[in-house]
Amino acid sequence: KAGVTQTPRYLIKTRGQQVTLSCSPISGHRSVSWYQQTPGQGLQFLFEYFSETQRNKGNFPGRFSGRQFSNSRSEMNVSTLELGDSALYLCASSLALAGGVSYNEQFFGPGTRLTVL
Amino acid sequence: SQQGEEDPQALSIQEGENATMNCSYKTSINNLQWYRQNSGRGLVHLILIRSNEREKHSGRLRVTLDTSKKSSSLLITASRAADTASYFCATDEATRDDKIIFGKGTRLHILP
Repeated sequence: KAGVTQTPRYLIKTRGQQVTLSCSPISGHRSVSWYQQTPGQGLQFLFEYFSETQRNKGNFPGRFSGRQFSNSRSEMNVSTLELGDSALYLCASSLALAGGVSYNEQFFGPGTRLTVL
Repeated sequence: SQQGEEDPQALSIQEGENATMNCSYKTSINNLQWYRQNSGRGLVHLILIRSNEREKHSGRLRVTLDTSKKSSSLLITASRAADTASYFCATDEATRDDKIIFGKGTRLHILP
């Protein structure tokens, strides 16, 4: 079974631009979560989608948004990029059958390394 | 705010020795999970322990949970070079929200 894939793997943008990252979950997984990882703040939860609906959201500004399609693929968008948005963005998928992601193993993709200049 | 906090931040041990990492958290939880991350890659799930469990084993891994102290430990026995990685604990608050909060991790380095 193919793992979680994320595209692109690396991205360089400038301040003020916007970016869209893509995540394809493991086949059959309906939950997709997004995380931001930086050396200073560690891994921080952005949001989780289940069956095209956002179920949970972390403490990030409205510039960070996401969506999930009917095939469970997910995208996240960051508008008006700031230098502090430079990070590794990780996507994770889960079966989330009972109780959601906290009760189930999450399978992570390799991440998208975003650099904002 | 960070829910889980790992200790130590970094650990270097000789191959073959045991490695112990600790995680402390602040609120009541439903479950606690441990993940491993090799340099520059995604995370790999190691083990999940529920709040009503005290100890769990998986191969060379042993996880304990003490809800009275709000702490967990991850023990890796007979360490190998391939165990070199960062290890994270992830907790969820026992509220209606279902989201996982990761600690900042312990960087483990196994010396040959």
